[in-house]
Amino acid sequence: QVQLKESGPGLVQPSQTLSLTCTVSGFSLTSYHVSWVRQPPGKGLEWMGVIWTGGSTAYNSLLKSRLSISRDISKSQVFLKMNSLQTEDTATYYCARSGDPFDYWGQGVMVTVSS
Amino acid sequence: DIQMTQSPSFLSASVGERVTLSCKASQNINKYLDWYQQKLGEAPKLLIYNTNNLHTGIPSRFSGSGSGTDYTLTISSLQPEDVATYFCLQRNSWPTFGAGTKLELK
Repeated sequence: QVQLKESGPGLVQPSQTLSLTCTVSGFSLTSYHVSWVRQPPGKGLEWMGVIWTGGSTAYNSLLKSRLSISRDISKSQVFLKMNSLQTEDTATYYCARSGDPFDYWGQGVMVTVSS
Repeated sequence: DIQMTQSPSFLSASVGERVTLSCKASQNINKYLDWYQQKLGEAPKLLIYNTNNLHTGIPSRFSGSGSGTDYTLTISSLQPEDVATYFCLQRNSWPTFGAGTKLELK
């Protein structure tokens, strides 16, 4: 049974760094890519980046300077780190298995950027 | 980046009605177009991938079509559980989503 679950802090202060973890089960990170997608409250979805089966990464050009995605295969975990957070980064952050298409998603984690 | 434009933004329809949602790309996306359903407070759920392929477990009342820049999601007979926001996603290049169509019952 394929599952993804995001975890991380619900509140981050402006200018700080966001660290999220996506723990997957039911598939291997060496067989499927994993993407991060976010959704500001009441708004649409934005693809943030992907870590491919081989471990290389690609990022949304708008976020590239602030974003890093990595993984620990032994723990079946994918990590997102994004620095210099601003209020407009307030959103629900999802990880999704993206082996063409994005077929399974986590439940999402709401992150609020506020002092 | 490829821009995705969905229409309408909001749609009200009756149970049993045939519903058509549209998604237009700013350039040819070679049928790499997926449709998602998102209910309030839930993660997006894949309905259709690569224009017209029904994802596992999705009812057959959902179907997709299109080519080039223009794509359509059709619900043949609207059911109460279909109330949701529907997003399209192109994967021909770096993924981009449409802004969504919010579907409610009349």
